[in-house]
This record gives sequence, structure tokens and C-alpha cells, in this order.
Amino acid sequence: QVQLQESGPGLVKPSQTLSLTCTVSGASISSGAYYWSWIRQNPERGLEWIGYIHYSGYTYYNPSLKSRLTISLDTSKNQFSLNLSSVTAADTAVYYCARVHIDYGDYDWLDPWGQGTVVTVSS
Amino acid sequence: QSALTQPASVSGSSGQSITISCTGTSSDVGTYKYVSWYQQHPGKAPKLMIYEVINRPLGVSNRFSGSKSGNTASLTISGLQAEDEADYYCSSYSSSSTLVLFGGGTKLTVL
Repeated sequence: QVQLQESGPGLVKPSQTLSLTCTVSGASISSGAYYWSWIRQNPERGLEWIGYIHYSGYTYYNPSLKSRLTISLDTSKNQFSLNLSSVTAADTAVYYCARVHIDYGDYDWLDPWGQGTVVTVSS
Repeated sequence: QSALTQPASVSGSSGQSITISCTGTSSDVGTYKYVSWYQQHPGKAPKLMIYEVINRPLGVSNRFSGSKSGNTASLTISGLQAEDEADYYCSSYSSSSTLVLFGGGTKLTVL
């Protein structure tokens, strides 16, 4: 059974960098059959796709976040990570990681999801 | 404003059927089979219910079904049960630079 678990600080100060890690169990992130994604959710914007990464290092980011965003992976720990710089209150959300099923390289569906982690941006 | 349009709420009595719509454009829902639906209970992560418009993952009840016509995809839940009360979200691949779109979510109330 594949499981994903987010971890990281629950409180980040404005202008600082938000850093989260997703630990994957039951599957290898080195599998070329999937992408690995971050999604966030807040009452104002609902569900918002952040970006994804393939084990080859290929990434695709939401254009609205691209200038502040880095997604990376650590195959030795079977983890992938999110770094979002220069955060503001608008980045306050529940952050989820999820496995992306792909079809000829295109996004298809998300399953499973991690349980989510709440990140608040506040001084 | 979400990229895919869903009704904010729907309701139905126990045992009845309801349908939730998800309207996009020819750049996403109207052209691609990559439409999926997710169920989210309060405080929980979204759970995949339908993928590629019509397919149910193993373990999802056959009371859940999906369809598509033109730029609108639909999720139908038949034989409503109290446990179906949740938020439902659609998602689609998009040929735009955003690539992955979500609907704004629909709150289902079982009366």
C-alpha cells in the first residue's frame, strides 16, 4: 500500500522560505511511471496545483508560483521536497503531496494523497 | 474563481441520486479524457473516486459513476448514503500553461 506523509514547520514568517518534505512508503519515487506532486488548499483559492517532479529531475511548476518555487527529490530517502520563497499570508494553506498517474507524460490523476499539513504564514 | 466550474452545493435524500457538474473549456475537459473526481470529508485528504472520466478505482462503490458531454463532466452518485456527505472536486488536465486544473468544489448534503 502506497502512503505519503508530509512534514515541516507549521508556522513560517512572512518573506521567509516555506520548506516541506514528503516521505513515500510502499513505492519507489525512482519509478518512471509516476510524477510526484504538491497541491495546496485554502478557503480563498480552493485546491491549487503547485507543481510536480519526475525521478529524472523533470519538473513542471504552476506559472503563478514558478518564480518562487523549487521542487526536488532525494531518492536515497525516498522523499521529495517543496521550497517556496518570499511567502506571504496568501500562502497560508493545507499542503498536500500526492502521486501523479500519467499517460504518455501528461497529468492524469492523483492517488494517493498524503494527509496534509497546515502551514500558517504569520509574524 | 476556479478554472473549472462546479455548483457550490447539491443535496439529496437518502436513497436518491444526484449529479454534480464540472464545466471547463475545449482546452481541458472538452478535449481530454484526463478528468478525475475526488471526495473530501472534513479534515481529511481528498480521495480519488473517478479517473479518466468514467473509471472507478478498486474499492470505490459502483454507486459512483462519471460521464462527459462536450465541455462538461459529471459525477453521479446513486442510492445516496449518509457517508456520501462530503465535498467533491473535479480535476482536469489542461493544454494551458497551468496544466492541472481543479473545480471549486461542491458540498453534498444528504437529507
